[in-house]
Amino acid sequence: GAVVSQHPSWVICKSGTSVKIECRSLDFQATTMFWYRQFPKQSLMLMATSNEGSKATYEQGVEKDKFLINHASLTLSTLTVTSAHPEDSSFYICSASGGLQDTQYFGPGTRLTVL
Amino acid sequence: GDSVTQMEGPVTLSEEAFLTINCTYTATGYPSLFWYVQYPGEGLQLLLKATKADDKGSNKGFEATYRKETTSFHLEKGSVQVSDSAVYFCALSGGSGGSNYKLTFGKGTLLTVNP
Repeated sequence: GAVVSQHPSWVICKSGTSVKIECRSLDFQATTMFWYRQFPKQSLMLMATSNEGSKATYEQGVEKDKFLINHASLTLSTLTVTSAHPEDSSFYICSASGGLQDTQYFGPGTRLTVL
Repeated sequence: GDSVTQMEGPVTLSEEAFLTINCTYTATGYPSLFWYVQYPGEGLQLLLKATKADDKGSNKGFEATYRKETTSFHLEKGSVQVSDSAVYFCALSGGSGGSNYKLTFGKGTLLTVNP
């Protein structure tokens, strides 16, 4: 099946720094990529949807200036957490699909800890 | 808005036991319903889905029936194996949220199967 990778798998950073997380579709072209956030023992919450070559669409309550999403190619999307703070510590998961209505294939997630 | 409630885990079973993981949902309209599975260290994978009332999704011995009258989509397997140990997520799309592609997830249920 389709494979999606994320890098890094975990990251620890200091408060105030920025962190970039990569999401790659390894064997298919991902027209659409999704970014989710998951707190311990909570559901995955959709943060934003991005289509290749266009601006991301953010869910209500998600700060677009804090969570910068770039989807510059059909195989790569990045999420940059700017000026990270401890409350941004979470598990970030991406998914990729060939189109909005298509099956989403999920990455393994990235654990972010902000000290 | 849409929501998914699934039984809290962890669930621990012996090999060959019968499995049920309950899932109920709240949504208007006619959502599609999904079960995803996440094996240790891997991304979520679509296990099965159903797109209309009374549909039964099945895969790898797992089954779930879309029950509109009880707004439920319970996951069952007649005889679990150690390799079924994973986290299981119930999800829906296309409900009152309005967008067919947006997934709303339950919190996940950790299943551990002992030999």
